[in-house]
Amino acid sequence: KAGVTQTPRYLIKTRGQQVTLSCSPISGHRSVSWYQQTPGQGLQFLFEYFSETQRNKGNFPGRFSGRQFSNSRSEMNVSTLELGDSALYLCASSLEPLGMGGYTFGSGTRLTVV
Amino acid sequence: KNEVEQSPQNLTAQEGEFITINCSYSVGISALHWLQQHPGGGIVSLFMLSSGKKKHGRLIATINIQEKHSSLHITASHPRDSAVYICAVDGGATNKLIFGTGTLLAVQP
Repeated sequence: KAGVTQTPRYLIKTRGQQVTLSCSPISGHRSVSWYQQTPGQGLQFLFEYFSETQRNKGNFPGRFSGRQFSNSRSEMNVSTLELGDSALYLCASSLEPLGMGGYTFGSGTRLTVV
Repeated sequence: KNEVEQSPQNLTAQEGEFITINCSYSVGISALHWLQQHPGGGIVSLFMLSSGKKKHGRLIATINIQEKHSSLHITASHPRDSAVYICAVDGGATNKLIFGTGTLLAVQP
């Protein structure tokens, strides 16, 4: 059974650019959540999608957005990149929307903004 | 004050020792998760608890809902257990994970 796949694994972007990250959940999982991990702030919740609907959003500016497709694959987009957006971005999928079946995490996308 | 507090932040142990990592939280939860993160970033979900105790191999996780406290125990620790262990709670009303700052465990041979 394939795990959660995140692409790309590494990315270098310039300030002001925009970036799109992709997350393919485990087959059958309809909930996908996104997290940002930085040395200073640790792991922080970005947003969660279930059946193509954003169910919850963390405390991040509007530059951070996402969407989910009918096959449950999700993308997150960051516009007008800032140096502080450099981080490991992780997604996790779960069977139920509240994660009561547990979460399976992807390996993450490491974004560096220069 | 963080909503999820972990202790200790850093832990060094000798191979074979019994290890305990603690997690306290201040919000209402539907579940508590223990996660393991190795260098390189990948996160593995170890346990999801809503009550009582769970065991998987040498790992044991307990939770006391009344005291809002959970512990992760590692018996007969091994150098391959070296990782960051993270406690996270599912806020029942908010449907999102809130993370502790993690415990960096180093098990020396």
